[in-house]
Amino acid sequence: ETAVFQTPNYHVTQVGNEVSFNCKQTLGHDTMYWYKQDSKKLLKIMFSYNNKQLIVNETVPRRFSPQSSDKAHLNLRIKSVEPEDSAVYLCASSPDRDTGQLYFGEGSKLTVL
Amino acid sequence: GQQVQQSPASLVLQEGENAELQCNFSSTATQLQWFYQSPGGSLVSLLSNPSGTKHTGRLTSTTVTKERRSSLHISSSQTTDSGTYLCALPMNYNQGKLIFGQGTKLSIKP
Repeated sequence: ETAVFQTPNYHVTQVGNEVSFNCKQTLGHDTMYWYKQDSKKLLKIMFSYNNKQLIVNETVPRRFSPQSSDKAHLNLRIKSVEPEDSAVYLCASSPDRDTGQLYFGEGSKLTVL
Repeated sequence: GQQVQQSPASLVLQEGENAELQCNFSSTATQLQWFYQSPGGSLVSLLSNPSGTKHTGRLTSTTVTKERRSSLHISSSQTTDSGTYLCALPMNYNQGKLIFGQGTKLSIKP
């Protein structure tokens, strides 16, 4: 049963455009994440928020910015996309920052032409 | 930092055969997890096994912490088992920050 919802699931855009991905979880969890899965299927964490507060910010380009209005929502905005941003972006949540049990959304596939 | 290596990279089996997937990691696992990613892309947690042997359905995971390895055994494979199996471990100080292996792509032929 899906409890982490991502939109859109697919997006195709041109280099230089702005893109936003939305994520909502209905599990009542405190912590949310954005992971990036590249063309080789390797998953890497980008950001982590605990109760609306940023707690993990890996080395990602500054054009990526997470936005959290409340603990159930964590959006990802990409200003001026580059070809290397083409990937699947996966949102996840966990009960708290100390729990490694993650629940993932279905992913948002970005293609930059 | 923590590294996770999985083998084989891909595995093709006939339906009914057993599958054995391996995961090796560079430092002590605190909460090793196995995930399944469907061909459509959705990622689900299969089980968490920091040490010892755990079973769930047709899945058996054995983790030998001192040897820094874990295995996932799928018995009597089915075509619906096809997909990518990922091993992941948390960074020691942040349980939600997972380090993933590159996965084993499993294909089960009818």
